[in-house]
Amino acid sequence: NAGVTQTPKFQVLKTGQSMTLQCAQDMNHEYMSWYRQDPGMGLRLIHYSVGAGITDQGEVPNGYNVSRSTTEDFPLRLLSAAPSQTSVYFCASSSGQGRPEAFFGQGTRLTVV
Amino acid sequence: AQSVTQLGSHVSVSEGALVLLRCNYSSSVPPYLFWYVQYPNQGLQLLLKYTTGATLVKGINGFEAEFKKSETSFHLTKPSAHMSDAAEYFCAVRAFTGGGNKLTFGTGTQLKVEL
Repeated sequence: NAGVTQTPKFQVLKTGQSMTLQCAQDMNHEYMSWYRQDPGMGLRLIHYSVGAGITDQGEVPNGYNVSRSTTEDFPLRLLSAAPSQTSVYFCASSSGQGRPEAFFGQGTRLTVV
Repeated sequence: AQSVTQLGSHVSVSEGALVLLRCNYSSSVPPYLFWYVQYPNQGLQLLLKYTTGATLVKGINGFEAEFKKSETSFHLTKPSAHMSDAAEYFCAVRAFTGGGNKLTFGTGTQLKVEL
């Protein structure tokens, strides 16, 4: 009964470092998305995918890359971390058919110093 | 483009009092509508959703919401607040078709429940 699993839960990076946030779902969902949550701004969409091999940009894509080689996994890469990327990151998945709601992981709290 | 407005970033109620959290949306066509709850240091949990059909939707933990197309609103209510309801609540919309299931969120309402 894992649902959406995100790793790591916490991470501290130095400015300029790169890293990958992992996201995996075991519900065979077509759609997966990455959001960032900042105080007073709600959640904003970074990138999303409608299936393996297909990704597209969301509202705030700059500084992030994604790929979707399998249905289960949707990693988010920070190319060169900046303090402005300090945030809580959430991965979500949904089936899209019949049940339009998204299921969220527990989040990754990232601090860039 | 869709947008969501949640009136009141902080709402405080007494235990046992009515909870009313407001959500208005803009969309060219009636969308899917959701309320999510977030407890401290946790992910988002679905409270309830509107897809089609009955406009009064019941969710978990005694919450309900009514879709009012004429007012473009989807306000969340609970007749009697409990201390365990203290959390942040997010209203979200999703396009009815296409869009890769992208959600647009409001900025959230922090609910405080006082004795």
